[in-house]
Amino acid sequence: AQSVAQPEDQVNVAEGNPLTVKCTYSVSGNPYLFWYVQYPNRGLQFLLKYITGDNLVKGSYGFEAEFNKSQTSFHLKKPSALVSDSALYFCAVRDSTGYSSASKIIFGSGTRLSIRP
Amino acid sequence: DSGVTQTPKHLITATGQRVTLRCSPRSGDLSVYWYQQSLDQGLQFLIQYYNGEERAKGNILERFSAQQFPDLHSELNLSSLELGDSALYFCASSERTGVTGELFFGEGSRLTVL
Repeated sequence: AQSVAQPEDQVNVAEGNPLTVKCTYSVSGNPYLFWYVQYPNRGLQFLLKYITGDNLVKGSYGFEAEFNKSQTSFHLKKPSALVSDSALYFCAVRDSTGYSSASKIIFGSGTRLSIRP
Repeated sequence: DSGVTQTPKHLITATGQRVTLRCSPRSGDLSVYWYQQSLDQGLQFLIQYYNGEERAKGNILERFSAQQFPDLHSELNLSSLELGDSALYFCASSERTGVTGELFFGEGSRLTVL
């Protein structure tokens, strides 16, 4: 069965500093990996995804993520944090095996990112 | 705006009651997913429909049921409600091919059971 883990409930970073939000996964086939952001009282918004190819994926709002197959990780990063980046971040994984229309996306427990001015 | 519409946005009801949550996916999306978000359990996958047929099932209680109609909108029915069912219920849709595409989420329906 597929699973995804976000080991940190909260990450605190000063504005202007680099940030990393960690994610590890487990799937039986090749992973399709996603990051989403949720602002208060809003739905989840897609940030970026890894399907295949370059291990460094660039996404919205200056975020990027690095896929590491040997460590089964997909950490979210940003070189310089903004106060407006404060939100709840979710990592998600989809297994490539099985019927294409029947593969579910499993979300991590979420990491609350707090950027202090 | 993701293009996914959920109604109602807020719902307050009593234990033992039944409610229906509605979702309209983005135009052209065939897959609809339902998720439950509660404070202590994160985002839990409930069920997925593809073009009217159930395709994947997660941690959905027997008191809950869902369906996707020919016009592709979906409904999540919650019955014999308990206090613990209070949560934010999200609907999401994805593109036709489904596998590599990201999900587009609605704003959610906040259910409060008193």
